[in-house]
Amino acid sequence: GQQLNQSPQSMFIQEGEDVSMNCTSSSIFNTWLWYKQDPGEGPVLLIALYKAGELTSNGRLTAQFGITRKDSFLNISASIPSDVGIYFCAGQLKFKETSGSRLTFGEGTQLTVNP
Amino acid sequence: DVKVTQSSRYLVKRTGEKVFLECVQDMDHENMFWYRQDPGLGLRLIYFSYDVKMKEKGDIPEGYSVSREKKERFSLILESASTNQTSMYLCASSYGGGVNQPQHFGDGTRLSIL
Repeated sequence: GQQLNQSPQSMFIQEGEDVSMNCTSSSIFNTWLWYKQDPGEGPVLLIALYKAGELTSNGRLTAQFGITRKDSFLNISASIPSDVGIYFCAGQLKFKETSGSRLTFGEGTQLTVNP
Repeated sequence: DVKVTQSSRYLVKRTGEKVFLECVQDMDHENMFWYRQDPGLGLRLIYFSYDVKMKEKGDIPEGYSVSREKKERFSLILESASTNQTSMYLCASSYGGGVNQPQHFGDGTRLSIL
């Protein structure tokens, strides 16, 4: 199946630093999603983006839907220890006219925050 | 809040056994999905369903089957478990009324096949 290119694969930062990660695809998506996964848990939705060019914030998190619809980035400002985890991007396509859509996932960014 | 519940957090089975993984959602979602997650490979879609008794193959359906007899429940079946099916299995669901509905995940089942 199709994959998204997510980078970086891992990041080691100091508490208080800002973080940026991104995803690119050769295909167009009609929705971009960002999830966070804590160890031993399922992914939790952080931000959903629905329009090309859209910039959306959720607390210290900011994400943008690329104007070409082929990329997205996620920024975390003033990182704290509980930001540790794996962050996944996901692009959403429509698989059936009257129903929801399947996701294509990036391989994840492992974030480590040193206190 | 959306609640997706997977019946087991940890499961240990033997090679050749028939294994059932259960998933229940309480939000009346039309769509349900099964993924497996492996280090370095990310999340891969096994099967999905957009309605009761409907199912579609994902990217890696071999060795698996699914059952959707009721809207709230989606079962993943390993017909004859093998060691290469040791993995983290994640269930997700989403609302079907429109194209831009994000998926919500359960906490996962870590399955070990000995």
